[in-house]
Amino acid sequence: GAVVSQHPSWVICKSGTSVKIECRSLDFQATTMFWYRQFPKQSLMLMATSNEGSKATYEQGVEKDKFLINHASLTLSTLTVTSAHPEDSSFYICSARGYFGPGTRLLVL
Amino acid sequence: GDSVTQMEGPVTLSEEAFLTINCTYTATGYPSLFWYVQYPGEGLQLLLKATKADDKGSNKGFEATYRKETTSFHLEKGSVQVSDSAVYFCALNRDDKIIFGKGTRLHILP
Repeated sequence: GAVVSQHPSWVICKSGTSVKIECRSLDFQATTMFWYRQFPKQSLMLMATSNEGSKATYEQGVEKDKFLINHASLTLSTLTVTSAHPEDSSFYICSARGYFGPGTRLLVL
Repeated sequence: GDSVTQMEGPVTLSEEAFLTINCTYTATGYPSLFWYVQYPGEGLQLLLKATKADDKGSNKGFEATYRKETTSFHLEKGSVQVSDSAVYFCALNRDDKIIFGKGTRLHILP
């Protein structure tokens, strides 16, 4: 079946640094990918829609300058958390065609 | 806009009990419907899906039927096991964008 990968699976960083998370579709092309965020014991919140060749579409309340999304190719989307702070610590998950990546756990110290 | 509502948890049952987790949706048209499961510390796994009205999705003893008349997609299992303890998310797919319910935490006691 279709597989979506994410890298890294875990990242710990210092406050103020930027972190890049990659999402790849391994055996299919995806012009659209989605980024979600999940806080502990909560549901997944859609952050943004990543569009190949155009700007990402952000959900209400999500800071686009904070969470930079680049859909570099038909198989790769990246989410960069800029100037990360402890409140950005969360579980970030991408999806494409309804298939989900394994998630990236971010801890900002 | 589209939304999914599922029963609040946590739900605690004894092993071999019957399980129902209610899910209703609000959407225009007939989106595909899903149940996902998330085990502690892990990512999401697709449990089952249904793509049109009256379809029944099933997997690992779990079942859900797409009911357009009641806009529901309730999850059921006849005999739960301790290993079924997890969080279950009902969701709909609108143009590959997945919209989730809030999740229902299930605890199965031995």
